[in-house]
Amino acid sequence: DAGVIQSPRHEVTEMGQEVTLRCKPISGHNSLFWYRQTMMRGLELLIYFNNNVPIDDSGMPEDRFSAKMPNASFSTLKIQPSEPRDSAVYFCASSPGPSRVGEAFFGQGTRLTVV
Amino acid sequence: GDSVTQMEGPVTLSEEAFLTINCTYTATGYPSLFWYVQYPGEGLQLLLKATKADDKGSNKGFEATYRKETTSFHLEKGSVQVSDSAVYFCALWNGDKIIFGKGTRLHILP
Repeated sequence: DAGVIQSPRHEVTEMGQEVTLRCKPISGHNSLFWYRQTMMRGLELLIYFNNNVPIDDSGMPEDRFSAKMPNASFSTLKIQPSEPRDSAVYFCASSPGPSRVGEAFFGQGTRLTVV
Repeated sequence: GDSVTQMEGPVTLSEEAFLTINCTYTATGYPSLFWYVQYPGEGLQLLLKATKADDKGSNKGFEATYRKETTSFHLEKGSVQVSDSAVYFCALWNGDKIIFGKGTRLHILP
């Protein structure tokens, strides 16, 4: 089991550019979460999907952020245009479903720096 | 809304000391409770869990007991090691989503 795979591991971009973060969840998991982690705000839930359907996106900071899950094995988080305050570590996590609710398996994260 | 509050860090201990990290929660209904650990440069990993009142979760020498009467889920370990240095997150599942505390950084000195 390869675990949750995120790419890229590090991203440095200029303000105003589009950024796309990618996630491959663990096969068979039916929930997927995107989190953002900063020193100031800690771990914030941005959006989560159940069976590829977005359930709660109330944590998405503003319209510049969007997330998609076109199939069970892939999700993207896009920021357009990016701003320096978006600099953070972004984590994707997947969860196996009703029998193990609350158990989330995290990827290693993407460290985003917007200059 | 539902929330998790845990003690602020950093917590610094000597090797073989006893560890307690406090965690309390606010939730309607009966949440499941979790402790996650984050090592430097990595994502969070599930450490232990408890799904109902009076359950005790345990793993790698760590323990936590679900106390409904005090709405608490304190993390304990009898003898910490340098390798336990990490950030520890208390969390709950309220039937809708996972809610994390802000994390407690633990430093263990050799």
